[in-house]
Formats: sequence, C-alpha cells, structure tokens
Amino acid sequence: GDSVTQMEGPVTLSEEAFLTINCTYTATGYPSLFWYVQYPGEGLQLLLKATKADDKGSNKGFEATYRKETTSFHLEKGSVQVSDSAVYFCAWNQGGKLIFGQGTELSVKP
Amino acid sequence: GAVVSQHPSWVICKSGTSVKIECRSLDFQATTMFWYRQFPKQSLMLMATSNEGSKATYEQGVEKDKFLINHASLTLSTLTVTSAHPEDSSFYICSARDPSGSGNEQFFGPGTRLTVL
Repeated sequence: GDSVTQMEGPVTLSEEAFLTINCTYTATGYPSLFWYVQYPGEGLQLLLKATKADDKGSNKGFEATYRKETTSFHLEKGSVQVSDSAVYFCAWNQGGKLIFGQGTELSVKP
Repeated sequence: GAVVSQHPSWVICKSGTSVKIECRSLDFQATTMFWYRQFPKQSLMLMATSNEGSKATYEQGVEKDKFLINHASLTLSTLTVTSAHPEDSSFYICSARDPSGSGNEQFFGPGTRLTVL
C-alpha cells in the first residue's frame, strides 16, 4: 500500500557533521513531498517541500531532491548544529491528507 | 506564518471521563482541519478529517463514537475523547489547512498530551 519509509533513528552526530536522513515512498502517481521537523515540546513545522520530480526543496541549510526514479526524498545538511536536534518526519500528500514516515530523531552533540 | 493553537497542552483525567481538546486557527480561516494521534517514538497517524459545517471523515479503525469531532466554525475544531481509558493516553495533534495558501500545506498545533489514569 501507500507508505513512507524513513531511516531509523536515533541519529547522533557531532556539530558540523554532514547529515543524511533517507526517505523513500510508495505511492501512485507523483505526490508532493515534505519534510517536517518537530523540536522538543513543540508541534510540527514544515521544513521544506517539493511538488514535482527533480524539484529541490531547501530551507535553513537543509536540502532534499525529489527523485522520481528512486522514489526518494532524502534530507541532507552539510554542517549540523546543536540547535538542529529534533525529530524529522518525511511525508507525502495523498488527496489532501498527509502520510507520514515514522520519524527520525536527530541528536547533535557539541 | 499561519498559527494553530491547541488547548489544553496537557490533561490528566480519570478513566471513564470525557475530555475535550480544542484546535484553533488564529490568523486564518480553516475549512479543513485534521486530527492526528502520535504514540511515543512513533509517527503521526491521521484519525479524521474535519470539515467546517459537516461531519468529520474518520480513518479506518478509528471509532467515531469514541472520538467525537466538531468543526462548528472556520477557526475552531474540537476533539472529544469519550469515556476515556488508559489506552487512549497519547499525544493528540491537530492541523489546519489554509485555503489561501499555495499547495496543500497544513499548519500544526503544538499538541495535547492526554494521560488517562
């Protein structure tokens, strides 16, 4: 069925390390893809999105490219900061409803 | 950006009582709101889609008589957990879609932690 699969966490990195969180989806057609971030004690915030194949979403140093051929939308950041510690959710839009991955917890140590 | 609030942020209740959670869009009118449930270390699971002025659409496996949803105005949707039991303890999150925005972006509330004793 339709789903989103994310890399399992937790992911622990040192400050300034390179980050990749993998996300693949199973869907009919070409849905819009999203990354949401949930900081401790807060609600979800949209981090970035891409609406069609080969689109690259970017925000706050994070990037993700919509890869139709591999049905992937991996999240990357070149140099993480302690303040990036949060849970990251990959999602896609199905008829106006969001389908979420299981979330990946990121912990960045100074 | 668009702001969505939830009240209360946390609630503790006794088994068998009912609890109401409010979701408000503060600076936009939301014809559609969504209710999610999040278990510890797990993803958000959509419970229902709430449309202003009409009945909510529940996802498969969600008891509509257990989780009552009312979307009486363009800025307010409520979720009532009736006759709550310990297994209903969870983090409940609402979101609202801004129809004036581009695409189908949803804006999320901060969530409500429900603990049923």
